[in-house]
Amino acid sequence: QKEVEQNSGPLSVPEGAIASLNCTYSDRGSQSFFWYRQYSGKSPELIMSIYSNGDKEDGRFTAQLNKASQYVSLLIRDSQPSDSATYLCAVNLGGSQGNLIFGKGTKLSVKP
Amino acid sequence: DGGITQSPKYLFRKEGQNVTLSCEQNLNHDAMYWYRQDPGQGLRLIYYSQIVNDFQKGDIAEGYSVSREKKESFPLTVTSAQKNPTAFYLCASASDRGRTEQYFGPGTRLTVT
Repeated sequence: QKEVEQNSGPLSVPEGAIASLNCTYSDRGSQSFFWYRQYSGKSPELIMSIYSNGDKEDGRFTAQLNKASQYVSLLIRDSQPSDSATYLCAVNLGGSQGNLIFGKGTKLSVKP
Repeated sequence: DGGITQSPKYLFRKEGQNVTLSCEQNLNHDAMYWYRQDPGQGLRLIYYSQIVNDFQKGDIAEGYSVSREKKESFPLTVTSAQKNPTAFYLCASASDRGRTEQYFGPGTRLTVT
């Protein structure tokens, strides 16, 4: 059973702090990794994708991938109340089909 | 204005009725997907399609059916055989050019009583 695990939270951080969201996956053959943000009652929105080991930065967001440890994380710098949402980690298992396995998500709350 | 549209946003049906959810995209994406999301659960794949007139079952296809007659459209029918149809249904699409980022439509919230 291929799995993606996330701490369900809630993770609470003060405004301006760094929020750190973590994700582990079971399939060592996984090739691409994604972070989605989902506001309550809305659909997921893709915010980061990462394909190789290391860090990838986009504005206040940094994705980190360690394939040896089967671990991917998302850092949000200078957290804002508008960042309060559930963050979904998704992993592509490889092959031509592009099927993603999603974690259950971590709920983030940024307190003013 | 490119994107993925789903309709309706909310849908209420009586038990025993089939219902069809619409998904349309104008992104020229080859691949389309249907997911179901239940409270506290991750997204679960129902069906997916890589090309027109071809589709495959996902992890929870029982009680659902799809068609892919046009590249832009991938409707999902929730049949009376689906035991717990009340859920948030999400359609997604992806370009089939070596990229696997999936983009989601706004979703349809189905309630069956």
